Amino acid sequence: QSALTQPASVSGSPGQSITISCTGTSSDIGSYNYVSWYQQHPGKAPKLMIYDVSNRPSGVSNRFSGSKSGNTASLTISGLQAEDEADYYCSSYTSSTTWVFGGGTKLTVL
Amino acid sequence: QVQLVESGGGVVQPGRSLRLSCTASRFTFSNHGMHWVRQAPGKGLEWVAVIWYDGSKKYYGNSVKGRFTISRDNSKNTLYLQMSSLRAEDTAVYYCARDRGADYFDYWGQGALVTVSS
Repeated sequence: QSALTQPASVSGSPGQSITISCTGTSSDIGSYNYVSWYQQHPGKAPKLMIYDVSNRPSGVSNRFSGSKSGNTASLTISGLQAEDEADYYCSSYTSSTTWVFGGGTKLTVL
Repeated sequence: QVQLVESGGGVVQPGRSLRLSCTASRFTFSNHGMHWVRQAPGKGLEWVAVIWYDGSKKYYGNSVKGRFTISRDNSKNTLYLQMSSLRAEDTAVYYCARDRGADYFDYWGQGALVTVSS
């Protein structure tokens, strides 16, 4: 149950696009399309942003998109806004019927 | 809107036990699996445990296996996490989260802080 690998931090200017990667193994991301992404603002509970690799829940901006290739999933945020500044976590179901999170990525909007 | 409210957090000495509760409302609790996820101070999210909608299956993270027990009472719309043999490294905010299709976590509670310290 090793954590998925995410960059510790990314940054971008308002209006720009950024991508956060999330690397796992053939036992999690590589075998299932059960990858989800969560946004967490300081002191708040996580919020679901993307599920099943690339699906957005109702109410989530279409500026958020997800994809996957092999053992690596990615979250892209386009048209960056100040309110997007937060921590982002990826998660995947695993072959052991457990779930694993990434270490988290702190997004700074410059 | 789905509501999940955790309770039972607090300060506990190493080696002791504590039980967290998560009270669910505004959805049919007995139709959904439920998870516990924790977050140590300043750290990332760590998956702790899951219980199937009917309580028939339970799975745990390696760091809590054998010490924590997840359970539920569908008649009370409540999820539990019994934590025993607590260690300093169990100090964290514990979130309950609703499962969607044994796939992802679609709603989260506000969290309950557990501090293990002498």
